[in-house]
Amino acid sequence: RKEVEQDPGPFNVPEGATVAFNCTYSNSASQSFFWYRQDCRKEPKLLMSVYSSGNEDGRFTAQLNRASQYISLLIRDSKLSDSATYLCVVEFSNSGYALNFGKGTSLLVTP
Amino acid sequence: NAGVTQTPKFRILKIGQSMTLQCAQDMNHNYMYWYRQDPGMGLKLIYYSVGAGITDKGEVPNGYNVSRSTTEDFPLRLELAAPSQTSVYFCASSEKTGGIGELFFGEGSRLTVL
Repeated sequence: RKEVEQDPGPFNVPEGATVAFNCTYSNSASQSFFWYRQDCRKEPKLLMSVYSSGNEDGRFTAQLNRASQYISLLIRDSKLSDSATYLCVVEFSNSGYALNFGKGTSLLVTP
Repeated sequence: NAGVTQTPKFRILKIGQSMTLQCAQDMNHNYMYWYRQDPGMGLKLIYYSVGAGITDKGEVPNGYNVSRSTTEDFPLRLELAAPSQTSVYFCASSEKTGGIGELFFGEGSRLTVL
């Protein structure tokens, strides 16, 4: 079983739509969770951390379900500039190296 | 604000050649990492370092070597390049020692081995 699994998409949505991405992880000892954004042919950049109680940053909402080992990212009122690949990232320990990246979910927001 | 700087950005190698990818960060981060990203795949950790003089293997270290003589620099050495090493290489750094925190990536180095 892959350690971090994401639906690769692509998700094609119109501007203004709400879109949700899901991610599952296999290691129940996972401690930290993140969403990174990667634009085409660019480096990944942190979008937001995911906290146990769920957290929101503007149009973006992240949720964590430890019992189901499941993370989600919700984007409301999609903008053209949201078009990118969204990487689910899970830290399995505090050892400093145990970051596991999902393959990413591709989003294309169309006019 | 330089952050993490990688050179070169692009390189074509012949099979069997060797080269070094350079990585430097100016944020005084202890942790540094090398990842490779193949098309449609997640990032795979090659090597990492928790401080000057300390390095360790990641998930896919074969065919690579690293050194960390200073806090700022973390070069990745490819010996005897093979087509399987064609990839995009990202160097990254992070500040936190307990838990990784945010990774700051360089812009990537695109390597083709022919």
